[in-house]
Amino acid sequence: DAKTTQPTSMDCAEGRAANLPCNHSTISGNEYVYWYRQIHSQGPQYIIHGLKNNETNEMASLIITEDRKSSTLILPHATLRDTAVYYCIVPGLYSGGGADGLTFGKGTHLIIQP
Amino acid sequence: EAGVVQSPRYKIIEKKQPVAFWCNPISGHNTLYWYLQNLGQGPELLIRYENEEAVDDSQLPKDRFSAERLKGVDSTLKIQPAELGDSAVYLCASSSHGTPDTQYFGPGTRLTVL
Repeated sequence: DAKTTQPTSMDCAEGRAANLPCNHSTISGNEYVYWYRQIHSQGPQYIIHGLKNNETNEMASLIITEDRKSSTLILPHATLRDTAVYYCIVPGLYSGGGADGLTFGKGTHLIIQP
Repeated sequence: EAGVVQSPRYKIIEKKQPVAFWCNPISGHNTLYWYLQNLGQGPELLIRYENEEAVDDSQLPKDRFSAERLKGVDSTLKIQPAELGDSAVYLCASSSHGTPDTQYFGPGTRLTVL
């Protein structure tokens, strides 16, 4: 898996947009960027993924730079329930139809302040 | 749709005792993963199943850990005998064949070895 670098922690005010950065300078052309989050005492939860174009779903938006060496996860209107550890993951390419498990780093601990 | 189910949620045992964790993946998901998560760290893959076949168990400590996925559905992870250092959260995840990196996690089993 390509190595990713994230800040250890971030704060954001409730109701504001939370922008979580991730560097993945060694990403190769066909590797996707995935984001997961883990709320305290729960298992990780898939958020979104993308390859080149910006992506949006009901949970978040993902902005990937043109050179694909970094990305930003955007939670448009953060709530207290968004307090969690956010993981940026670039899974390695796989062959034979299978896939390796995800390689989680330490992620970014996002704290939403009331 | 039911998510990944794990039981028990919590387990406290004395060292040298055996322990088993059970996982029921999302219906139709061929791939099942067991992860280990130590306090303050991201999850780490222990073993991956494609249907009933263990295709990646390189990170599973085979002297004391074992796993099975009979009939390619439910799975059990066992530790015998448990050691103090095995205290952690054990997470189960599943994914469908076409989207292996979009994994759905259960709530985990928190093991405490005394």
